[in-house]
Amino acid sequence: KAGVTQTPRYLIKTRGQQVTLSCSPISGHRSVSWYQQTPGQGLQFLFEYFSETQRNKGNFPGRFSGRQFSNSRSEMNVSTLELGDSALYLCASSIVDGSYEQYFGPGTRLTVT
Amino acid sequence: GEDVEQSLFLSVREGDSSVINCTYTDSSSTYLYWYKQEPGAGLQLLTYIFSNMDMKQDQRLTVLLNKKDKHLSLRIADTQTGDSAIYFCAGGGSHMNYGGSQGNLIFGKGTKLSVKP
Repeated sequence: KAGVTQTPRYLIKTRGQQVTLSCSPISGHRSVSWYQQTPGQGLQFLFEYFSETQRNKGNFPGRFSGRQFSNSRSEMNVSTLELGDSALYLCASSIVDGSYEQYFGPGTRLTVT
Repeated sequence: GEDVEQSLFLSVREGDSSVINCTYTDSSSTYLYWYKQEPGAGLQLLTYIFSNMDMKQDQRLTVLLNKKDKHLSLRIADTQTGDSAIYFCAGGGSHMNYGGSQGNLIFGKGTKLSVKP
């Protein structure tokens, strides 16, 4: 079974631009969560989607948004990029049926210049 | 909110046992997890323990949970150079989440394990 895939793997943007990151969960997984990883703050939860609905949201500004499609694929968008948004963005998928394991993708490395 | 703390570094010799420790503040976490991250890679789920368990063993890995002290540990037996990585503990599955969602894990800062040959 294929793992979680994220595209693109690397991205360079300039301040003020917007960016869209994509995540394809493991087949059959209906929950997708997004995390931001930085050296200073570590791993921080952004949001979780299940059945195309946002179920949980972390403490990030409204510039960070996401959505989930009917095939469980998810996208996250960051508008008006700031230098501090440079990070590794990780997506994780899980089955929500009594299983409690989250499987992570390789991440998208975003650099804002 | 939950806070999860870990020591930042651990160095061991190949063949020795490694013990990585973690403390957490929120006892409402239903599950406690251990993840491994190698350079340039995402997170790999190693094991997890349900909050009403004391111990879980999985091949070379042993997880111990002390609920009274809110202390979690991961023991790696016969540590190999391939075990060198950053290890994260995480809590999740608060009873306040509905539908069994585990989507909002709270992570520690990670412990960098170095294994010397």
